[in-house]
Parts: sequence; structure tokens; C-alpha cells
Amino acid sequence: QVQLQESGPGLVKASETLSLTCSISGASVNNGHYYWSWIRQPPGKGLEWIGSIYSTGTTYYNPSLKSRLTMSIDTSNNQFSLRLTSVTASDTAVYYCARQYYDFLSGPAHFDYWGQGTPVTVSS
Amino acid sequence: SYVLTQPPSVSVAPGQTATITCGGNNIGAKTVHWYQQKPGQAPVLVVYDDTHRPSEIPERFSGSNSGKAATLTISTVEAGDEADYYCHVWHSSSESRGVFGPGTKVTVL
Repeated sequence: QVQLQESGPGLVKASETLSLTCSISGASVNNGHYYWSWIRQPPGKGLEWIGSIYSTGTTYYNPSLKSRLTMSIDTSNNQFSLRLTSVTASDTAVYYCARQYYDFLSGPAHFDYWGQGTPVTVSS
Repeated sequence: SYVLTQPPSVSVAPGQTATITCGGNNIGAKTVHWYQQKPGQAPVLVVYDDTHRPSEIPERFSGSNSGKAATLTISTVEAGDEADYYCHVWHSSSESRGVFGPGTKVTVL
């Protein structure tokens, strides 16, 4: 049973750095068939892809966040992380981590397992 | 960047069929995935690779991609199908690769 669990502060001050971790059970972050991704959802709005990372460290970032975003992968602890700097109120959202299937021919594909989500509020 | 379009809302009576479309430039050349999200819950994958259904998803959920639009069809709709539905593609030829549609609210009358 694959499970993902987000952890991190629920409240971050504006201009500071948001750090979140996704802990994985029932699957290995080293499995070459998957990317590991972050998706967020502002209150009352739709889903926004943040970025995806592979076990080798290869990353794809949403260009709207790229200058503030760093994703990393920790194979020894079977987890991956997100770091978003200089946060503003527009970064307030529920943040989800998800496993993304990787098709060797066509690339990253669907998100098959999701964490429950962690709400993050940016305060002024 | 690549943009997906969806109708904001679809209303359907119980037992009837709900059809949700997802449009985008040359979407027939893309592989489309669909997610169901109920209030306060994480999204759940209901269709992947245009037409495939995870084993735990009822056969009432089906997908297609004709080229002009991708479609998620929910047959014999039940009250429990009321949710937001999002389409998603991975657009390899642009920097913004992970693209979600704006979502469609399905209301069961």
C-alpha cells in the first residue's frame, strides 16, 4: 500500500522560506518508474503543478515558480522535499505531494498516488 | 504555455450520463489523465492515458480522446460522483510541463 505524507509548518511569514517534506511508505523513491511531484491548490481554486523530481535528481519546475523553487530527493530516508523562498500571500494553498508514473517513451505521466495534503498559510 | 479548457460546471440527474470535455491545442496528440476531487479530500486518479481506468475505479468511468477534445464520461451517475474533475497533460515541448485544466464541478441533481 503506497502512502505519501506531507509535513511542514502550517504558517509561514511573508518573505520567508517554505520547506515541506514528503515521506513515502510502500514504495521506493529510487524506483526508476516514477517521478515525485508537488502540486498545490489555493483556497477555492484549481490544481497547480509545482514541480517533479526523479531519483537521479533531474527536475522539472513550473516556470512561474522556478526562480524561488528547489526540490530535492533523500534516498536514504525515502523522502523528497520542496523549498520555496520569498513567499507571499499568493503561496497560501494546500500542498500535495504525489507519485508520478514515468513512461520511458513519452516521459512523466499521471499522478497515481497522492498525499492527503497539508495547508500552508502565508501571514503578513 | 499550454492551456487546457473545461466547462465550469455540469449538472446531471441520478442514473443519467455526465460528459466532461477537456480542450487544448492539438489535444489528440497528448495523453490525457483525469482526477476526481471531493471537498476536503486529495484528488484521485480516475482515468489515465486517455482511456485506462485504475483497477479500483468503477467501470462507469470512461475516457476518450478524439483529437478535438478529450472526454470523461460517467455513466449511471450516482450521488457519490458529485465532485470536481480535472484533466491533466504533460506537455513536453514547453517549459511549463505539468498542466491541469481549470476543473469541472459535477452536480448530481
